[in-house]
Amino acid sequence: DIQMTQSPSSLSASVGDRVTITCRASQSISNYLNWYQEKPGTVPKLLLFAASSLQSGVPSRFSGSGSGTDFTLTISSLQPEDFATYYCQQSYSTPRTFGQGTKLEIK
Amino acid sequence: QVQLQESGPGLVKPSQTLSLTCTVSGGSISNGGYYWSWIRQHPGKGLEWIGYIYYSGTTYYNPSLKSRLTISVDTSKNQFSLRLSSVTAADTAMYYCAKETTGNKRAFDIWGQGTMVTVSS
Repeated sequence: DIQMTQSPSSLSASVGDRVTITCRASQSISNYLNWYQEKPGTVPKLLLFAASSLQSGVPSRFSGSGSGTDFTLTISSLQPEDFATYYCQQSYSTPRTFGQGTKLEIK
Repeated sequence: QVQLQESGPGLVKPSQTLSLTCTVSGGSISNGGYYWSWIRQHPGKGLEWIGYIYYSGTTYYNPSLKSRLTISVDTSKNQFSLRLSSVTAADTAMYYCAKETTGNKRAFDIWGQGTMVTVSS
């Protein structure tokens, strides 16, 4: 199985901050990397697919980059609604695997 | 717009079989181009992919669950289902069905609302 490791596991930031979350795969996954946002009591929401492609309806302050084993999710200017848990997920091979999550909290 | 809805018992006894169904609306499960997945989330924990099925019946299972798992599809009802046998408390989780587009996108872009399953006597 491909292991996905996110860092940090938790992060405190303020509205307006620029935030970066990293995700590392245990082997190369090309660009088959997706990012999801989960808020308490709600369903995970796809933010970006193929490492850097923005899902329809997702604000442009979200961006992604990377290829191979190292990837980043960047939120350019945090908004109050962005405080949530973020997961990366590889779709290079089965079993599909997720990172452990990064909880983004208000400072 | 495709929508997914899980259904099934919220309480299952240990050693019994957990059975859930996902009903697809707004599109045909037989159209192809999608993998129909099950994903679960243990309370307060991260996401675990269980497996998926193609409309033809081809399946891919998580090896950690493979010995207990069956995913099936009923194209006439536009549904796919999960059966997990010999459940224990460790199978208590929120269960989601989700659609993954094949090809280059390969992401879970549509999710059901989820159904909480508790394994307890």
